[in-house]
Amino acid sequence: SQQGEEDPQALSIQEGENATMNCSYKTSINNLQWYRQNSGRGLVHLILIRSNEREKHSGRLRVTLDTSKKSSSLLITASRAADTASYFCATVSSSNTGKLIFGQGTTLQVKP
Amino acid sequence: GAVVSQHPSRVICKSGTSVKIECRSLDFQATTMFWYRQFPKQSLMLMATSNEGSKATYEQGVEKDKFLINHASLTLSTLTVTSAHPEDSSFYICSASGGGRSGNQPQHFGDGTRLSIL
Repeated sequence: SQQGEEDPQALSIQEGENATMNCSYKTSINNLQWYRQNSGRGLVHLILIRSNEREKHSGRLRVTLDTSKKSSSLLITASRAADTASYFCATVSSSNTGKLIFGQGTTLQVKP
Repeated sequence: GAVVSQHPSRVICKSGTSVKIECRSLDFQATTMFWYRQFPKQSLMLMATSNEGSKATYEQGVEKDKFLINHASLTLSTLTVTSAHPEDSSFYICSASGGGRSGNQPQHFGDGTRLSIL
């Protein structure tokens, strides 16, 4: 079953601008992960943030986690045309069965 | 490192055919692999968890006799869509997690298989 809601569903920005995507979930989690998917391809892992962490950075990516609100955000700074893809959050429940439950995803278009 | 290879990338076949999809972890051992299904412009839906040397665990609503999963070694899991029909047409993706408790590590995904049943 799908757990997360992501918003916006679609986002279109100009190269150089920042992109922010939000994810909400329903159950207690062990960790939350963000993935990227180019059209017709598999997923690429971006960042994993544990339930006891509040913020994490990787290059131009910044992820926050608010467990009290059961929400997370992904910020991509100084976007590039090559960032055009779908972005998914996924949660691992606190029972840590290893299963990922995916949100609905945000489709990002970065215009050159 | 952590490469997952999925084969074939695309299959087009007639209704009633059984189709086997392979998922291999190339440079790590994967005690657990996962199979997902994705419809156009939608998210991934977990179908089943494949455990090496034991039976797969299927998600609710997924027919185990329809989607046969075999995880015979630490580097290979297969999904067989038996007697496929047009409604089975979809994008199937596998993933694997290497080392430790699988939930504490990122999953590594194959490039998916586009299955089209005529």
